[in-house]
Amino acid sequence: AQSVTQLDSQVPVFEEAPVELRCNYSSSVSVYLFWYVQYPNQGLQLLLKYLSGSTLVKGINGFEAEFNKSQTSFHLRKPSVHISDTAEYFCAVSMKNQGGKLIFGQGTELSVKP
Amino acid sequence: NAGVTQTPKFRVLKTGQSMTLLCAQDMNHEYMYWYRQDPGMGLRLIHYSVGEGTTAKGEVPDGYNVSRLKKQNFLLGLESAAPSQTSVYFCASSYAGGYGYTFGSGTRLTVV
Repeated sequence: AQSVTQLDSQVPVFEEAPVELRCNYSSSVSVYLFWYVQYPNQGLQLLLKYLSGSTLVKGINGFEAEFNKSQTSFHLRKPSVHISDTAEYFCAVSMKNQGGKLIFGQGTELSVKP
Repeated sequence: NAGVTQTPKFRVLKTGQSMTLLCAQDMNHEYMYWYRQDPGMGLRLIHYSVGEGTTAKGEVPDGYNVSRLKKQNFLLGLESAAPSQTSVYFCASSYAGGYGYTFGSGTRLTVV
């Protein structure tokens, strides 16, 4: 069965510091990979996605992620965070030819402090 | 540009009551999904649809039913609500599998 594991449930960081949110997945078939952000009391917004091609993917708000097939990881990074990046971040995986279903990780709460 | 609209936004039910959550999208998407979000568990798929007139079970379908009579609407029903169904429910739609979702803003349901 496919699964997604986000290795940190909470990540506190100071403003302007770099951050990495870790995501590992397991799947026996080819996958598409996604990162979503959820601000308080809102729905989820797509940050970035990996479908194929270059393993380094750039998204909105200065975030990027790198697909590592050998380590089955898709870690999210930002070189310098802002207070406004405080939110919950979800990693998700979709298997090809499986009806587009997304399997989500448990979420990582990013808290940026001044 | 409405995107995905969920109604209602909040609801309190008594145990045993029934209700229907409505999801409407105006992007002509084929795929639609219902998820529930619970603290520390991420989002879990309840039911989904790959086109008008089709539905399929997801990870946690028990206690829920769905219908997709029109392409733009996806209804989620609770026939006899239980406290374990207290959650935030999200609807999402997608043009095709693998292209990511557009999410609604959620329905916060409390069953007492």
